[in-house]
Amino acid sequence: GQSLEQPSEVTAVEGAIVQINCTYQTSGFYGLSWYQQHDGGAPTFLSYNALDGLEETGRFSSFLSRSDSYGYLLLQELQMKDSASYFCAVRAASGGYQKVTFGIGTKLQVIP
Amino acid sequence: ETGVTQTPRHLVMGMTNKKSLKCEQHLGHNAMYWYKQSAKKPLELMFVYSLEERVENNSVPSRFSPECPNSSHLFLHLHTLQPEDSALYLCASSQAEGPGYTFGSGTRLTVV
Repeated sequence: GQSLEQPSEVTAVEGAIVQINCTYQTSGFYGLSWYQQHDGGAPTFLSYNALDGLEETGRFSSFLSRSDSYGYLLLQELQMKDSASYFCAVRAASGGYQKVTFGIGTKLQVIP
Repeated sequence: ETGVTQTPRHLVMGMTNKKSLKCEQHLGHNAMYWYKQSAKKPLELMFVYSLEERVENNSVPSRFSPECPNSSHLFLHLHTLQPEDSALYLCASSQAEGPGYTFGSGTRLTVV
């Protein structure tokens, strides 16, 4: 099966940079995704890394190291609206299709 | 709205009731999913439909019964539920091999 580890809570200051780490164990790995979920809202897709390296999308960047089974989400120029839960998710082969397994989520609190 | 619509948003039901959750997407996706989200736990995959065929039944009790009449609609039929089934039930859709899921806002289910 698959397992993922990420910190349960992170607090950071508005305008700062925060990194949320994710380590995983799986076979048949395809890629690592990140999702954001505000309280009471739907999870929304942020990024997907299939290859090693850094992918940048505006203030958010995501990194993957397949050899280390490790990735992170980097949030720059933090804003109050970035307060949310962030989930990493592993896509891996499962039977005849690609299964996505989610981590427990990291609750980010941005403070003034 | 995310493009995936779930109804109802909230549901309170007794343990002897029968109810159904509905999910609808018009994004042209060909895969749909049911997830259960409970406090302090990762998102739990329940069912996957790809091209209208169920490809995953993640050891879900038979009191949960999915139905996918076409690629745009997904139902979760509920009967004789237990209090521990109280949770947020999320529907998602994607292209079958696509990197990201689009989630609905969920149905908050309370079993009394």
